[in-house]
Amino acid sequence: AQSVTQLDSHVSVSEGTPVLLRCNYSSSYSPSLFWYVQHPNKGLQLLLKYTSAATLVKGINGFEAEFKKSETSFHLTKPSAHMSDAAEYFCVVSDYNGNKLVFGAGTILRVKS
Amino acid sequence: DAGVIQSPRHEVTEMGQEVTLRCKPISGHNSLFWYRQTMMRGLELLIYFNNNVPIDDSGMPEDRFSAKMPNASFSTLKIQPSEPRDSAVYFCASSLAGASTDTQYFGPGTRLTVL
Repeated sequence: AQSVTQLDSHVSVSEGTPVLLRCNYSSSYSPSLFWYVQHPNKGLQLLLKYTSAATLVKGINGFEAEFKKSETSFHLTKPSAHMSDAAEYFCVVSDYNGNKLVFGAGTILRVKS
Repeated sequence: DAGVIQSPRHEVTEMGQEVTLRCKPISGHNSLFWYRQTMMRGLELLIYFNNNVPIDDSGMPEDRFSAKMPNASFSTLKIQPSEPRDSAVYFCASSLAGASTDTQYFGPGTRLTVL
């Protein structure tokens, strides 16, 4: 079965510094991987997705993630944090049939001014 | 496009009452998903439909929960009778065809409180 582990439940950065949110996945096949963001009291919005094309995926709002098969990782990064980035971020893997998304537990990103 | 539409946005009810949550997927999307989000369990898939047909309802907690999709533009999730442990945020999502590479688009959610 597919699973994802988000290694940090909370990350705190200062505005203007880099962001790193870590995610490891487990899958018996070549997975599709996603990062979603959820702002307080809002729905989930797709940041980016990996679907076996380029291993470095660029998303919205300056975020990107790199698929590393050897490390089974899909970490999310951003060079410079903005206050508006404060939210909860979910790493997600799609199951083999594509009809189920398996969500990580989430990482809450706090951005300090 | 208006995106996925859910109603109501907030629902407060008393234990034992029937609750119906509604979802309108994005036009042209053939797959629809219902999720539940709680602090304890995170985001869980309850059920999904493909072309209006329920494909997998293994995530539905128990017989008190039921979901229908009478047509391509409307789905309901019903809880009868409701219990305090059903308090959660319920999300509906839709995707084009349900393939592994498809993006699921989420609605704003319904925050359910059962007293």
